[in-house]
Amino acid sequence: QSALTQPPSASGSPGQSVTISCTGTSSDVGGYNYVSWYQQDPGKAPKLMIYEVSKRPSGVPDRFSGSKSGNTASLTVSGLQAEDEADYYCSSYAGGDIVVFGGGTKLTVL
Amino acid sequence: EVQLLESGGGLVRPGGSLRLSCAASGFTFTNYAMTWIRQAPGKGLEWVSGISASGGKADYAASVEGRFTISRDNSRNTVYLQMNSLRPEDTAIYYCARMYYGDLDWGQGTLVTVSS
Repeated sequence: QSALTQPPSASGSPGQSVTISCTGTSSDVGGYNYVSWYQQDPGKAPKLMIYEVSKRPSGVPDRFSGSKSGNTASLTVSGLQAEDEADYYCSSYAGGDIVVFGGGTKLTVL
Repeated sequence: EVQLLESGGGLVRPGGSLRLSCAASGFTFTNYAMTWIRQAPGKGLEWVSGISASGGKADYAASVEGRFTISRDNSRNTVYLQMNSLRPEDTAIYYCARMYYGDLDWGQGTLVTVSS
């Protein structure tokens, strides 16, 4: 149950697009279409932004999108806004009752 | 609406024990696996343990294997996490989550602090 690999930081200017990667293995990201992305503000519970690789829960702006290729999933935030600055975590189903998480990426809006 | 309410957190000394509870409502509890996830102060999310819908199978992270035990009472719609031999590094917010493959619905969490 190794953690998924995310870059520790990412940044972009308002209006730009930024992509955060999440690399796992064929036993998790590559093996299942159950990758989720969470946004977390300091002191708050994680908020689901993307589930099942590319689906958006109700209320999440369509500026957020997800994709997957092989063992790597990606979250793209288009049209960056100041309110998007937060920590982002990916997760993947890994079989049985196991979920693995990435180490998190701090997104800074310059 | 899915509701998950964790309880049982608090301050405990190293080597001590604590039992967390998670009361579920708003869905058919026996249809879902349940899981515990934690987040240490200033750190990332860590999956801790999961249990199948029937309760017949459980999995644990290597960091807690042998010290923590997950269980569920399907008659009470409640999942538990028994934590023994607690260490300072177990200090974290512990979240209960409903699990459907990789889709998680989270509770608000309960804080566990292990300190002398």
